Amino acid sequence: DAGVTQSPTHLIKTRGQQVTLRCSPISGHKSVSWYQQVLGQGPQFIFQYYEKEERGRGNFPDRFSARQFPNYSSELNVNALLLGDSALYLCASSLDLGYEQYFGPGTRLTVT
Amino acid sequence: GENVEQHPSTLSVQEGDSAVIKCTYSDSASNYFPWYKQELGKRPQLIIDIRSNVGEKKDQRIAVTLNKTAKHFSLHITETQPEDSAVYFCAGANTGNQFYFGTGTSLTVIP
Repeated sequence: DAGVTQSPTHLIKTRGQQVTLRCSPISGHKSVSWYQQVLGQGPQFIFQYYEKEERGRGNFPDRFSARQFPNYSSELNVNALLLGDSALYLCASSLDLGYEQYFGPGTRLTVT
Repeated sequence: GENVEQHPSTLSVQEGDSAVIKCTYSDSASNYFPWYKQELGKRPQLIIDIRSNVGEKKDQRIAVTLNKTAKHFSLHITETQPEDSAVYFCAGANTGNQFYFGTGTSLTVIP
């Protein structure tokens, strides 16, 4: 059974550009959460989606948006990229709310 | 939102010794406390978790304890091995399942 998958693995963008990151949850998992992990720090919660509805949002600006599709996959969009957006973006899926979260390998975003 | 603090930030132990990592949380509504292990360049892996209706949970060499009154929980690793070397993160989550992570503990097990 495949785990959480994310694409792309690595991405280099220029300041001001826009980026879309993709996540496919474990089969049967209905909830997807997104996290930003800056080097040397713990993951920071960005968004949580459950059954295609946004269920939570962390302390991130409106440049960050996300959505979940009918097949439970998800996209994270970041507009007007800043140098400070450079980080590892992790997606995690869980069977349902209140269950364990399993992480994908992440997308390493570098903004130059 | 929740605020999770984690100590120490770095920890070195001799192989075979025990390691203890401590976390405190602020939100009394938090009821789920997972621990993740992250090796360099890899994804965080869930190693053990505990829910608020339980005081202690063990899985072989790993145990977690929870004190809801004091709002702190700890990870205990016994008989440490070099492959235990990694960064460990604690997290707190409420019924909404939104995880708030600590800042991580870099554990080095010296052979």
